[in-house]
Amino acid sequence: AQRVTQPEKLLSVFKGAPVELKCNYSYSGSPELFWYVQYSRQRLQLLLRHISRESIKGFTADLNKGETSFHLKKPFAQEEDSAMYYCALNSGGYNKLIFGAGTRLAVHP
Amino acid sequence: DAGVTQSPTHLIKTRGQQVTLRCSPKSGHDTVSWYQQALGQGPQFIFQYYEEEERQRGNFPDRFSGHQFPNYSSELNVNALLLGDSALYLCASRGSWDYGYTFGSGTRLTVV
Repeated sequence: AQRVTQPEKLLSVFKGAPVELKCNYSYSGSPELFWYVQYSRQRLQLLLRHISRESIKGFTADLNKGETSFHLKKPFAQEEDSAMYYCALNSGGYNKLIFGAGTRLAVHP
Repeated sequence: DAGVTQSPTHLIKTRGQQVTLRCSPKSGHDTVSWYQQALGQGPQFIFQYYEEEERQRGNFPDRFSGHQFPNYSSELNVNALLLGDSALYLCASRGSWDYGYTFGSGTRLTVV
């Protein structure tokens, strides 16, 4: 079954600390994975996509097919990073997204 | 560009009633997908429309139906509303060249 698991509902860190938001997936084919972010009172927006291998707002995510993981990392958290983060899997050619339950990141001063 | 716009923003309906939610995609986008987001959960795929046809469907009953118009806007209809249909309904659009979706702010549906 195709599934995305985000094991942590809440991740609380202090400003300047490293951050790792975990995401594991279950998919039989070649996965295409995304991270979406939702800041307070804003709409869901794309943060990054694994294929592009880019760094957005200091965040990176590496696809590990052996561990079926796509963890989101940032070396030094900022208060403005506080938001809800969703990992999503494109489950087929028509871009049907399967989302995880999300992790709330809270960065404290 | 206003991006993806959804209407109404909030809606309260009685169990058993029918509801229609509307979505205007971002300019230049031709594919529209609908998602249901229950409280504390990630969005769940309902269905996707392209060229006025339902192209893919998630695990939702036939009470959920939709439509896409020639101008790419879309409607989501839910019949015989249940209390469990209370959720945030998100519309997302993308263009043929895009790899990610642009989401609307959603319609908050409450069934009482």
